[in-house]
Amino acid sequence: EAAVTQSPRSKVAVTGGKVTLSCHQTNNHDYMYWYRQDTGHGLRLIHYSYVADSTEKGDIPDGYKASRPSQENFSLILELASLSQTAVYFCASSDPTTENTEVFFGKGTRLTVV
Amino acid sequence: GDSVTQTEGLVTLTEGLPVMLNCTYQTAYSTFLFWYVQHLNEAPKLLLKSSTDNKRTEHQGFHATLHKSSSSFHLQKSSAQLSDSALYYCALSAGRNNNNRIFFGDGTQLVVKP
Repeated sequence: EAAVTQSPRSKVAVTGGKVTLSCHQTNNHDYMYWYRQDTGHGLRLIHYSYVADSTEKGDIPDGYKASRPSQENFSLILELASLSQTAVYFCASSDPTTENTEVFFGKGTRLTVV
Repeated sequence: GDSVTQTEGLVTLTEGLPVMLNCTYQTAYSTFLFWYVQHLNEAPKLLLKSSTDNKRTEHQGFHATLHKSSSSFHLQKSSAQLSDSALYYCALSAGRNNNNRIFFGDGTQLVVKP
């Protein structure tokens, strides 16, 4: 069974503090994504990566950085957390070599900035 | 560029009535479409997928038919159940020229009432 593991599962951060969300996948997928989901709203792509040591900006990258040190690991970094970044964050992976590719999601990280 | 449009943000209906969630797409290269379902406090997961024109795809009581002529992939079910209440995403695989990146629509919240 393909697996994407996120840590922590929930976090309370202080405004202006640094937050790092971690993601680990055992799917052997080259593609990894970070999405943000606000209550009652859809997924919005923050950053993605299709190879280790390289990241790409998604649709809402401002205020976020990403790091892909290896194929298995993909981190999302909030250098200066703000109240508006309170949301649920999903990490995901997929295989870019085929169109017939399922995206596998982690269980999400609930981030509350106070 | 590639995009997915889900016109309804919220669909509310009574148990036993038919379900239809709309999805249209725009793409220059690929036509692999997906439906994902996200139940409350869970991660999105694949519901069904298709790339074959005019062929009905079914899973867990839901079905969808890809119509390339109208660029549509609507999700249907003959009789809604309370357990179908969830957030539904239509998604598109963007093809080899875009590293098969996945594009998600904004999602449709389905609420089924007794």
